[in-house]
Amino acid sequence: AQKVTQAQTEISVVEKEDVTLDCVYETRDTTYYLFWYKQPPSGELVFLIRRNSFDEQNEISGRYSWNFQKSTSSFNFTITASQVVDSAVYFCALSERVVAGGTSYGKLTFGQGTILTVHP
Amino acid sequence: DTGVSQNPRHKITKRGQNVTFRCDPISEHNRLYWYRQTLGQGPEFLTYFQNEAQLEKSRLLSDRFSAERPKGSFSTLEIQRTEQGDSAMYLCASRPGTGKGASYEQYFGPGTRLTVT
Repeated sequence: AQKVTQAQTEISVVEKEDVTLDCVYETRDTTYYLFWYKQPPSGELVFLIRRNSFDEQNEISGRYSWNFQKSTSSFNFTITASQVVDSAVYFCALSERVVAGGTSYGKLTFGQGTILTVHP
Repeated sequence: DTGVSQNPRHKITKRGQNVTFRCDPISEHNRLYWYRQTLGQGPEFLTYFQNEAQLEKSRLLSDRFSAERPKGSFSTLEIQRTEQGDSAMYLCASRPGTGKGASYEQYFGPGTRLTVT
């Protein structure tokens, strides 16, 4: 069975600090996708990034960067120079390829989330 | 470009009552998912539709739960004889299918928060 572990339940930082959110996953699939979602207080899950299992290049998008290491089954997320607006719950998720009804689809398995609070 | 919408946003009901939630996916998305999220947890998969066909149901979906997606557009999730343990956020997500323009990320609606008293 697929599993995603986010060991950090809560992180609290002061604005402008850098913060890294950890994510470790387990899967038997050789092809899979990893995601990060942000859930602000409004409740809606916002897609941040997708990474497939064949692409281990790190990615940077503005203040966000992601470090995918297949050897350690980790997909960590760093926010540089954090801002108060970054305060939210962040979820790491793994897409499992499931075959049903003659077709395949992706079913997301989420970690428990990390609550990030950025203080002014 | 409208996103995924869900109605109602909040629902308070007494134990034993039936409730129905609606999800309107992004218009060109033929794949639709329902998830349930309880406090302090990540969302958990409930069921999946491809067009109008319900292709998978989680064991979390007891026989009190039923979901439909008539005509492959909007979807409804009904809970019969609600129990306090059903209190949660019910999230709907959609994504395009395979082929040109397909993506693997799911786009989520704002959710329906159910409170069973």
